[in-house]
Amino acid sequence: DTAVSQTPKYLVTQMGNDKSIKCEQNLGHDTMYWYKQDSKKFLKIMFSYNNKELIINETVPNRFSPKSPDKAHLNLHINSLELGDSAVYFCASSRQGANYGYTFGSGTRLTVV
Amino acid sequence: KNEVEQSPQNLTAQEGEFITINCSYSVGISALHWLQQHPGGGIVSLFMLSSGKKKHGRLIATINIQEKHSSLHITASHPRDSAVYICAVTGNQFYFGTGTSLTVIP
Repeated sequence: DTAVSQTPKYLVTQMGNDKSIKCEQNLGHDTMYWYKQDSKKFLKIMFSYNNKELIINETVPNRFSPKSPDKAHLNLHINSLELGDSAVYFCASSRQGANYGYTFGSGTRLTVV
Repeated sequence: KNEVEQSPQNLTAQEGEFITINCSYSVGISALHWLQQHPGGGIVSLFMLSSGKKKHGRLIATINIQEKHSSLHITASHPRDSAVYICAVTGNQFYFGTGTSLTVIP
């Protein structure tokens, strides 16, 4: 009964491949997020979805596309993976936008070789 | 210059010490968050503040909106408090501090 679950936990893939990371929350939250944590441990927001609508899209390459089939799921699809995409990707959710506490997933460590 | 600055970057304390981590920000915000990232990588949301002070167990978070400053205090620190503590602010956009790495020595 994990609140925010991400799969896979680890992902190793070659440059040029397309991959997806899945995220599901069972908290009934309205807003879900994707964050990227780089090798220097710096967190940056990538996307935010509120009730299946994209409300924030920070300047990430358009190779990254979030997909939200319903408000409990926010998947991240990455096309044509590059070495610089290697990072830990965190999914999170919150109630009614970002002014409530977040619940984070455990992260997906993506390594592009 | 980062919109959110934390200090110190690294902190080592003896078990039982009182610890303070500071966060200053330069943008307008609607809320400030304190996050804890364990050595294993998981992130936990500790506090969300828009004014005043909040307390949870041995952790206390304060915010001064006029001074654009927040502090996270840990009383009676314990080795299990060893983690990276991250300050984040939300408003028109999200901004994160670079984190404070805390090590509490028994």
